[in-house]
Amino acid sequence: NAGVTQTPKFQVLKTGQSMTLQCAQDMNHEYMSWYRQDPGMGLRLIHYSVGAGITDQGEVPNGYNVSRSTTEDFPLRLLSAAPSQTSVYFCASSPTGEAQHFGDGTRLSIL
Amino acid sequence: DQQVKQNSPSLSVQEGRISILNCDYTNSMFDYFLWYKKYPAEGPTFLISISSIKDKNEDGRFTVFLNKSAKHLSLHIVPSQPGDSAVYFCAADSGTYKYIFGTGTRLKVLA
Repeated sequence: NAGVTQTPKFQVLKTGQSMTLQCAQDMNHEYMSWYRQDPGMGLRLIHYSVGAGITDQGEVPNGYNVSRSTTEDFPLRLLSAAPSQTSVYFCASSPTGEAQHFGDGTRLSIL
Repeated sequence: DQQVKQNSPSLSVQEGRISILNCDYTNSMFDYFLWYKKYPAEGPTFLISISSIKDKNEDGRFTVFLNKSAKHLSLHIVPSQPGDSAVYFCAADSGTYKYIFGTGTRLKVLA
């Protein structure tokens, strides 16, 4: 099993560009989530999903969009990248929303 | 307002001794708590959890204690090993799946 796979691992964007961070899991988990981690801060929840077709906002949702059309995939879209979105992004999944399995992260820099 | 706080950014412990990592929270609605370990360039890995109906949970070398009246939890690692050197995050939830993470404590176990 691959677990939770995030692509790309690194990305540099210019301000105003849009992009999609991919997240896929092969464990048939219903719960999936996106976090960002900034220096000196913990992980902050951006969006989460409790199943296909269901998404909800977390602590810091502004500037990000998600959709969940399948159980396996949970992409995160940056609509118009801003330097404040420079961060490390983690995707996670869980069978029931409790102990989560995390991907290895996407390091995103916005110039 | 930081709802989950890890007030010690770092901790050094001798190999074989006990490591105690602390976490305080302010939201009395939190009823489920987790600890994650994170190595550099990897995603967090789930360690152990505890629900508010318990005051202690053990898993091998790891024990989590919960003091609801003090809004405090701690993770004990006995005995500490060099491979335990990592950043440890506590996280809390109030049944909404919107996990709040602390800022992390970097543990260094000295051989």
